[in-house]
Parts: sequence; C-alpha cells; structure tokens
Amino acid sequence: NAGVMQNPRHLVRRRGQEARLRCSPMKGHSHVYWYRQLPEEGLKFMVYLQKENIIDESGMPKERFSAEFPKEGPSILRIQQVVRGDSAAYFCASSPEANTEAFFGQGTRLTVV
Amino acid sequence: KQEVTQIPAALSVPEGENLVLNCSFTDSAIYNLQWFRQDPGKGLTSLLLIQSSQREQTSGRLNASLDKSSGRSTLYIAASQPGDSATYLCAVPEGGTYKYIFGTGTRLKVLA
Repeated sequence: NAGVMQNPRHLVRRRGQEARLRCSPMKGHSHVYWYRQLPEEGLKFMVYLQKENIIDESGMPKERFSAEFPKEGPSILRIQQVVRGDSAAYFCASSPEANTEAFFGQGTRLTVV
Repeated sequence: KQEVTQIPAALSVPEGENLVLNCSFTDSAIYNLQWFRQDPGKGLTSLLLIQSSQREQTSGRLNASLDKSSGRSTLYIAASQPGDSATYLCAVPEGGTYKYIFGTGTRLKVLA
C-alpha cells in the first residue's frame, strides 16, 4: 500500500505564474488535508476535503488559492499568480475517516523566483 | 484556541545520551497526539500516535507519554545516535477535530 504521494517534489515558478500541486491519498482514504510550512515556521492547516467536497477551507488565503478533490484523480492545490511569499513546503495528508490518524506525504517545495 | 509549544527549540548532545523532548498544549480536549520526525528538506515521518485513553506508546528506542490533565507529552529517546538528528514535531487535533495544530519543533543534533 503506497503512502501519500505528492508531486512534484520541487516546483519553481516565476512571480505571476500558476502553481498546481498534486496529492494522491493512500488507498482507501477519502479524506485529504493540506498544510503549509513557511520557512522557519510550523505547519499550518489550510484546507480539508472529501471526495468532491470542500469541508473546511478556513486556513486557506481568500485569494489566489483553491483546492479540489475530484471523484477521480488526485487532490489539487492551485495557487494563481504566485508571489514570493508563497514559497513554502506544502504537505498533504490523508485519513480513512475524519478523526483518525492522518498520514503525511513528502511535501512539495514551491520556490517563487 | 489550541496552542502547542515545544521545548527546547534546539538540542545538541553527544552520541549515547538519553533525551527528553517536551510538548505542551493548552486545550486538553484532544483525542490523540502525534510525534513526527522531519529531516531537512524532507517530509514528515510519523513516529508515535498516542490515543487520548493511553498514557504512553513505545517504538524501539522511542517512548512517548501523554498527560492530558496537565497538557503535556514527552518524547524519550534512549541511547541517541547521529541518525536521530532531525526536527521532532508534536501535533494535536484542535478541539476534537481533524485540524492538527503543530508545535514549531525541537531541532536535535546528535554528535558522533
């Protein structure tokens, strides 16, 4: 059973471009969570999704950020018109149920130049 | 609002020492607590998960304890090795929900 898969592992974008981060949860997991780790800071919750539904996006910036978890395929975190302050490590986690152990992926490190 | 604090922020020890890393949280209404390891530039590796009904969990040289009433957990590392060098993170769910609140971690360096 493969773990949570995130790709790409590293992503470089110029200011103003779009960044798309992908997360494939563990097999059998229908709950996905995205966290962001800014340089020298702790991980912060961004958004919680179940298949085709956003359950809680209270941690996500109101503009330029969006997330989806379609019926088929991976969860996508999309950042439009990236700025230097978006440079961070973005981690995805999944769990089989809402209040059970979450397993984390290796993260995507976004660098905006 | 749940807050998680980890002490010390950094620790450097010679190989072979037994270590204690501390984690405190402000809201004791948690259903579990997790300890993670993060290597530089890498992802998170779950080390130990303690359910709220448990007092401790052990895995190899690692032992984690949980005292909900006092809002504290400790991670004990026995006979430390250079390979244990990493950042150790403690995380608890906020208010019984799925949102994990992370501490800022303890950066451990074990010297050969």
